[in-house]
Amino acid sequence: ETGVTQTPRHLVMGMTNKKSLKCEQHLGHNAMYWYKQSAKKPLELMFVYSLEERVENNSVPSRFSPECPNSSHLFLHLHTLQPEDSALYLCASSQAPQGASSGANVLTFGAGSRLTVL
Amino acid sequence: AQSVTQPDIHITVSEGASLELRCNYSYGATPYLFWYVQSPGQGLQLLLKYFSGDTLVQGIKGFEAEFKRSQSSFNLRKPSVHWSDAAEYFCAVGATGFQKLVFGTGTRLLVSP
Repeated sequence: ETGVTQTPRHLVMGMTNKKSLKCEQHLGHNAMYWYKQSAKKPLELMFVYSLEERVENNSVPSRFSPECPNSSHLFLHLHTLQPEDSALYLCASSQAPQGASSGANVLTFGAGSRLTVL
Repeated sequence: AQSVTQPDIHITVSEGASLELRCNYSYGATPYLFWYVQSPGQGLQLLLKYFSGDTLVQGIKGFEAEFKRSQSSFNLRKPSVHWSDAAEYFCAVGATGFQKLVFGTGTRLLVSP
């Protein structure tokens, strides 16, 4: 496979369930991201991992727990979610920038995991 | 912090007609600007990007965009729209250093026959 692959594509869960979203990239990138896409709202950056270290956590509730075991894989563990957490969760990858003055890098996105919380 | 405004939520264009999608940004330094497209049920695909140099950038699928610093704009254009261009289009601005893209709310393009 090539690009960024997300599984599952669709997930329905109750508020007391525990589930995980998986993301895998085959591009040789070393930075990975989770974004949340809700209707009528801009994409929200949730987490960023660079070289398997978390470098960004945008005030995301603790019911979302990311994990990056290696540079090719990224997980988002979900537990005791709320209905307002229903959204499309997008994973992306890029090359990590080489210092604070480096240029921006291009993100490659997966197709997303559509989450519905009942 | 940077921000992006896409003033048009929906735009309908006839097939074969020209297209311009508006994007205005706010950022204190030279921005890195992007246009992404999202088809239904899909993730975001990069159409084009501006980092520096020529202010008119060419992208995939016949799209182009022009960076106008004086107007803080990065509008997307296509001379002749095809039905397959119907999708949602997102403008984004990035900062130097670590990639922190800030996206606009998107413009949904409808193409009429």
